Amino acid sequence: AQKITQTQPGMFVQEKEAVTLDCTYDTSDPSYGLFWYKQPSSGEMIFLIYQGSYDQQNATEGRYSLNFQKARKSANLVISASQLGDSAMYFCAMRPRNQGGKLIFGQGTELSVKP
Amino acid sequence: EAGVTQFPSHSVIEKGQTVTLRCDPISGHDNLYWYRRVMGKEIKFLLHFVKESKQDESGMPNNRFLAERTGGTYSTLKVQPAELEDSGVYFCASSRSRGGSDMETQYFGPGTRLLVL
Repeated sequence: AQKITQTQPGMFVQEKEAVTLDCTYDTSDPSYGLFWYKQPSSGEMIFLIYQGSYDQQNATEGRYSLNFQKARKSANLVISASQLGDSAMYFCAMRPRNQGGKLIFGQGTELSVKP
Repeated sequence: EAGVTQFPSHSVIEKGQTVTLRCDPISGHDNLYWYRRVMGKEIKFLLHFVKESKQDESGMPNNRFLAERTGGTYSTLKVQPAELEDSGVYFCASSRSRGGSDMETQYFGPGTRLLVL
C-alpha cells in the first residue's frame, strides 16, 4: 500500500527556534519523490521542498531542510529559525514513479509559531 | 508567470444542484491534476490530465463527477447532482513535463471551497 503518515496533528514552536515535522511513508516502488507543501490560512498550497529517493544528500531550500532516512522510510521537514509567518498547515506527499503523476498526501500537521 | 488559478473560490449550493469548478493551469503545463480535501481528512487525488487526455481517473469518487479539459488548456470539474459528502476543498495542480518524473513539482491553485447544504 502507498501511504504517508504524519503523526503530529498540531505542533507549537517558539519564534526563532527550529522545529521538525515528522513524515513517514510506505511504498513498494523503488523510485519515488517526496514533497512538502505549506498551506497558510489563506488556503493556497505552496511547494517547499523535494527529495528524490535516489538522492544521496538531504534536500535544503533556505530555512527548510528535509531529513531523509531511507531505511526508516522517513522524510521529516526541519524548519530553522521559525518565523511567525511559518504558522500554517504542512503536508508531506509522495509520488511513486509507477503510480503515474499523482501525489499521495499525509493528514497534515498544523504548526503554530509563538512570539 | 501567473500561477494556477481556480474559480470560484467558494461555492455554496443545495443538495441536488449542479456545480462546475474551473482550473486554469500555469501556461505551458501539460499535466493537470484535481485533488480534494474533505474536512479533516487528507488530500486525495481525483484525476490527471495530460493535455486534453485523461491519464488517470482512478480517484474519481463516482459518476456524478465529470472532468474535462478541452483543448488541453483549462479544465472543468462538474458535480451533478451534488451530495452533502461532496463538500470540501477542491484543488487543482499543474506541472510541466509530459512524460512526468518523480522530480516534477506540481504547483497548486488556491482551491475552491465547496459547501453542499
